[in-house]
Amino acid sequence: GNSVTQMEGPVTLSEEAFLTINCTYTATGYPSLFWYVQYPGEGLQLLLKATKADDKGSNKGFEATYRKETTSFHLEKGSVQVSDSAVYFCALSGGSNYKLTFGKGTLLTVNP
Amino acid sequence: DADVTQTPRNRITKTGKRIMLECSQTKGHDRMYWYRQDPGLGLRLIYYSFDVKDINKGEISDGYSVSRQAQAKFSLSLESAIPNQTALYFCATSRGSNTEAFFGQGTRLTVV
Repeated sequence: GNSVTQMEGPVTLSEEAFLTINCTYTATGYPSLFWYVQYPGEGLQLLLKATKADDKGSNKGFEATYRKETTSFHLEKGSVQVSDSAVYFCALSGGSNYKLTFGKGTLLTVNP
Repeated sequence: DADVTQTPRNRITKTGKRIMLECSQTKGHDRMYWYRQDPGLGLRLIYYSFDVKDINKGEISDGYSVSRQAQAKFSLSLESAIPNQTALYFCATSRGSNTEAFFGQGTRLTVV
C-alpha cells in the first residue's frame, strides 16, 4: 500500500535559517503529493502540492519538487520566520480509491 | 464562516459513554473523511465516504461508526468510549481523488 516517510522532528532553527524537511513515499501509479501545515490549535491547511513528476509546488516561500526517480518531495524554504513555527505533514493521494496518506509530521520551531 | 465545521471543539466524556462528533461542510464536495491525530503517529484514517450511499472503513475503524446524513454532513460516533480514544479528531472533505483535502479545526476528545 501507499506510505509516506518524513523526517522526524522536532526541528529547531534560528530566524532566517534554511529549512529542509525530507519526505519520501511509496505508492503505486502516479500519486499527487502534498505538504500540509498545522499551526498551533488549528486544523491542517494545504501549503503546496504537485500532481506529476518534476512539478514544483510553491507557496509562502516554501517549495517542493516531485521527484519520481527518488520518490521524494522534500520541503524547502530559504529563510524561515518565527511565524513558520508549526507542524508540517507530507502526504500523498493516488489511485481510484482515494486515500490521503500522511507522514507522521515534523514539528518546526523557529527562534528569533 | 469556516468551510468545514466540526462540533464540539472540545469534549470530555466518561468511559462507556456514547458520543457523537459532527461535521458539516459548505464546499459542495462529495467526499468526506474522519481522521484521528495522535502525537508521534500523524493522522490516521477512521472512515471515509465518497457519497451519501457510500461508506468505507479506514485503517482504524474498530470502536467507531459513522453516518452520512446528507452530502454536507458526516458524523462520527464512539458507541462506548474508552480512554485510548482520547485524541484530536479531524473531519475533511475533497472534490475527488488526487485533489487536496480541506480540514475542519478539529475536536479534542478526552475520555476519562
